[in-house]
Amino acid sequence: AQKVTQAQTEISVVEKEDVTLDCVYETRDTTYYLFWYKQPPSGELVFLIRRNSFDEQNEISGRYSWNFQKSTSSFNFTITASQVVDSAVYFCALSERNTGTASKLTFGTGTRLQVTL
Amino acid sequence: EAQVTQNPRYLITVTGKKLTVTCSQNMNHEYMSWYRQDPGLGLRQIYYSMNVEVTDKGDVPEGYKVSRKEKRNFPLILESPSPNQTSLYFCASSFTEQHEAFFGQGTRLTVV
Repeated sequence: AQKVTQAQTEISVVEKEDVTLDCVYETRDTTYYLFWYKQPPSGELVFLIRRNSFDEQNEISGRYSWNFQKSTSSFNFTITASQVVDSAVYFCALSERNTGTASKLTFGTGTRLQVTL
Repeated sequence: EAQVTQNPRYLITVTGKKLTVTCSQNMNHEYMSWYRQDPGLGLRQIYYSMNVEVTDKGDVPEGYKVSRKEKRNFPLILESPSPNQTSLYFCASSFTEQHEAFFGQGTRLTVV
């Protein structure tokens, strides 16, 4: 069964610090998809990134970067020079490939990031 | 505007009184799903649907029903709500489960 572990329940940093949110996953499939979502204090869920299992290239988007390592089954998320607006709960999620019937999307328990001045 | 609309946003009900939370999307997405969010447990999938008349159980389906009679709508039905179903519920849609999901604004349900 697929599983996503976000061991960091809560992280507090001071603005401008770099912070890495960890995500470790388990799956038996060789084809799968990984996601990160952000849930700001207002409550909505916002998509950040999607990565398939065949694409191990790291991705950078502004202050955000993602490090995908199949060898360690990890898909970590780094925020560089954090800002107060980055304060949110961040969820990592995993979906296995559709093999005839749709697959479940499994979320981790989330990491609450608090950025203070 | 592309969106997923859930109603109601807030609901307080009593144990055993049947209720339905509606969900509608305007993006012609195939895949729709329901999640509940509880402190310390993250988002857990209740039910999902890959197309009209095709639904399947997620991780926590007990006490819930769904239907997918039309592509755009995916209501969540609680036939006999109980206090342990007090939670924040999200509906989501995407082209498939491997694509970016668009979420509704959430429904905060309290069962007393």
